[in-house]
Amino acid sequence: DAMVIQNPRYQVTQFGKPVTLSCSQTLNHNVMYWYQQKSSQAPKLLFHYYDKDFNNEADTPDNFQSRRPNTSFCFLDIRSPGLGDAAMYLCATSREGAYLYNEQFFGPGTRLTVL
Amino acid sequence: SQKIEQNSEALNIQEGKTATLTCNYTNYSPAYLQWYRQDPGRGPVFLLLIRENEKEKRKERLKVTFDTTLKQSLFHITASQPADSATYLCALVRGNTGKLIFGQGTTLQVKP
Repeated sequence: DAMVIQNPRYQVTQFGKPVTLSCSQTLNHNVMYWYQQKSSQAPKLLFHYYDKDFNNEADTPDNFQSRRPNTSFCFLDIRSPGLGDAAMYLCATSREGAYLYNEQFFGPGTRLTVL
Repeated sequence: SQKIEQNSEALNIQEGKTATLTCNYTNYSPAYLQWYRQDPGRGPVFLLLIRENEKEKRKERLKVTFDTTLKQSLFHITASQPADSATYLCALVRGNTGKLIFGQGTTLQVKP
């Protein structure tokens, strides 16, 4: 089945130690998103790629970076995780043709713990 | 700023009853509104989309209404089942940017 895969499902890191979360998709969708979701809160968009075009949200901290080496893969790098970065990180995709109304397909998420 | 509000209190209902969840928004006139289901520790799953010129949309036991005058959407699950227990998120499409703004979700608990 076509899907969005996130690895690892659980990640523990130490305060200030860089961490990379990965996302891959077999849907062949042009658009990929990274969201941060804290407990009982709305998913918050960090950035998205439209093909190779990177779009950062204005309030996304510089500590968060992303790479998309090809259509299938996208990475979220947190350069110096702080305690406030502990959250669920969600990757999502959408079809180029659906960009305006934007039905999104989410991965299972990576739960990040910062010690 | 744009704001989406969903009832943060959990909704507890008996199996077989109709669950009704509310999504209100301000400072915005979305062309589309979506509903997602999210199970604990999982990513959201798309359920339904409704356009601004549609008053109502149905899919099996699900029904969504969209009142652009009241700036409100209602999400109904008829003949609810314990398996419907989850958090339900509403989301608006932000202009023509293709970005979604999510509400914080309402948790539904259906008791047998």
